[in-house]
Amino acid sequence: DTEVTQTPKHLVMGMTNKKSLKCEQHMGHRAMYWYKQKAKKPPELMFVYSYEKLSINESVPSRFSPECPNSSLLNLHLHALQPEDSALYLCASSQGHSDQPQHFGDGTRLSIL
Amino acid sequence: QKEVEQNSGPLSVPEGAIASLNCTYSDRGSQSFFWYRQYSGKSPELIMSIYSNGDKEDGRFTAQLNKASQYVSLLIRDSQPSDSATYLCAVILNTGGFKTIFGAGTRLFVKA
Repeated sequence: DTEVTQTPKHLVMGMTNKKSLKCEQHMGHRAMYWYKQKAKKPPELMFVYSYEKLSINESVPSRFSPECPNSSLLNLHLHALQPEDSALYLCASSQGHSDQPQHFGDGTRLSIL
Repeated sequence: QKEVEQNSGPLSVPEGAIASLNCTYSDRGSQSFFWYRQYSGKSPELIMSIYSNGDKEDGRFTAQLNKASQYVSLLIRDSQPSDSATYLCAVILNTGGFKTIFGAGTRLFVKA
């Protein structure tokens, strides 16, 4: 069982749809992350939130829009995605983002038709 | 040069042997290093953190760090078939903010 909960586990959407991925942690962590992982590749950092403020955006296309409503929640809003955006999207959290290990959720497997 | 480099393998060892996984990194200023295990279709799971030069042991796992040579390794003693997975080395880079960069991962097979 993971202490970082991601929903949904699977998502299939068309290129014109709008959907959101959700992530929740109750470990009191103050940093939260979104990663994208393609098959047989390592996770690629997308966004980092530290104390609910966006601190890193790794030049991610604007069709991905992160949101951190509070210290426990992290969302990733999706709009007009492309087939190459199909991947496993991982959320992680850590006590701090400068030197602490991250704890990952189970991920959302996203397929774009 | 990639920021974090690992041999992609696969590395195959017999059950009961020692598996040795290596990782090199490019940023001399890095201070935080992690090993994650990822089973196929699952998310990464933290195995070890190491911050100081030398060895750190936790059960069958030993992480080794040498900042002068910019490498970090993971030894798995008494390897079990259940250890078969991809092992990801991760380094926090202190450039333009603290970013965690993962190596490509080493696939380990432990043969029964």
